[in-house]
Amino acid sequence: DAGVIQSPRHEVTEMGQEVTLRCKPISGHNSLFWYRQTMMRGLELLIYFNNNVPIDDSGMPEDRFSAKMPNASFSTLKIQPSEPRDSAVYFCASSLTSGYTFGSGTRLTVV
Amino acid sequence: QKEVEQNSGPLSVPEGAIASLNCTYSDRVSQSFFWYRQYSGKSPELIMSIYSNGDKEDGRFTAQLNKASQYVSLLIRDSQPSDSATYLCAVNSKAGNNRKLIWGLGTSLAVNP
Repeated sequence: DAGVIQSPRHEVTEMGQEVTLRCKPISGHNSLFWYRQTMMRGLELLIYFNNNVPIDDSGMPEDRFSAKMPNASFSTLKIQPSEPRDSAVYFCASSLTSGYTFGSGTRLTVV
Repeated sequence: QKEVEQNSGPLSVPEGAIASLNCTYSDRVSQSFFWYRQYSGKSPELIMSIYSNGDKEDGRFTAQLNKASQYVSLLIRDSQPSDSATYLCAVNSKAGNNRKLIWGLGTSLAVNP
């Protein structure tokens, strides 16, 4: 099992640019989660999907953030336009029953 | 606001000692409890889950749950330098079919050789 796969591992972009983060969950897992982690705020849930349907997006900071899950094996998190305060590590996680398996994360730096 | 509280640490223990990590939660209907370990620069990994009051042991790790007092703890016996990491407590209320976890900010553990 390859685990949860995220890309890219690192992203450096200029303020105002569009950023797209990608995630492939573990095959057979029916829930997918996008998290953001910073030193100050810890792990923050942005959005989660169950069977490809968004269930809770209350953590999405603002309209600049959007997420899609077109099928069971792929999800994207998009930030447009990006701002320096978006700099953080973004994790994708998937789950079947209880407990999550996290991907390696994408370290985003917006300059 | 549902909350999960952990001491930020750092908790420092000598090699071979027992490390005790604690977590309290505010939502009384919480049903599932998890401990994750996160090494610096890495992603969280699940090390223990517990659902019923009492103790659950897995190797050197023991999770303890007390729903009446709303706390969950993690004991690490015979601590090793490789246990040095941040330990995250997470709680799920499973209200309806909600799979959302509420996370603590983590406790940093340092095991000194």
